[in-house]
Amino acid sequence: TQLLEQSPQFLSIQEGENLTVYCNSSSVFSSLQWYRQEPGEGPVLLVTVVTGGEVKKLKRLTFQFGDARKDSSLHITAAQPGDTGLYLCAGARPGTYKYIFGTGTRLKVLA
Amino acid sequence: GAVVSQHPSWVICKSGTSVKIECRSLDFQATTMFWYRQFPKQSLMLMATSNEGSKATYEQGVEKDKFLINHASLTLSTLTVTSAHPEDSSFYICSATRQGRHQGPQHFGDGTRLSIL
Repeated sequence: TQLLEQSPQFLSIQEGENLTVYCNSSSVFSSLQWYRQEPGEGPVLLVTVVTGGEVKKLKRLTFQFGDARKDSSLHITAAQPGDTGLYLCAGARPGTYKYIFGTGTRLKVLA
Repeated sequence: GAVVSQHPSWVICKSGTSVKIECRSLDFQATTMFWYRQFPKQSLMLMATSNEGSKATYEQGVEKDKFLINHASLTLSTLTVTSAHPEDSSFYICSATRQGRHQGPQHFGDGTRLSIL
């Protein structure tokens, strides 16, 4: 059972456009992480959010954790070809330390 | 920074062979390591949690006799795919968290691509 649904599944945009990726669940998470994965490599951690309503910025990337800690979003401003990759959210249920990964969003930014 | 090494990175073998994959934390001690499986163009599916000095905890639907996990030291966990068949072909990825920081960052290896002929 996939607890974390990401949308959209696929996204192809032109360089310079903005985009938002959503990570939704009916479950509460004690913390949520976002990763980016390149083909043939392991995921690379982008950010961890732990407080409901928390917003974190990493250059052109803005991450938000929902007030109820059930959902999160990733917004990319002025996307660049280097942003191309598989974006994954991962949540840890309260009382556990296992992270369950979302369904993934495959982003392609065209030059 | 924290580094996790997986070996081998790619293995091709015949059906019926058992394959061992190693996951090492190179510059930190990891009480807990996680093993994931990833099919092409899909997300990571958690297979099991590997705990140093105790039995691994498997996720529902994962055969523990098929996927043997051993975590004999604070820096090494191994996953053995026993009597592998073509349907076991996949990308296997491990991750490790620093000792005492269970909800800290997971540090991922670069994965092992397993192809069973």
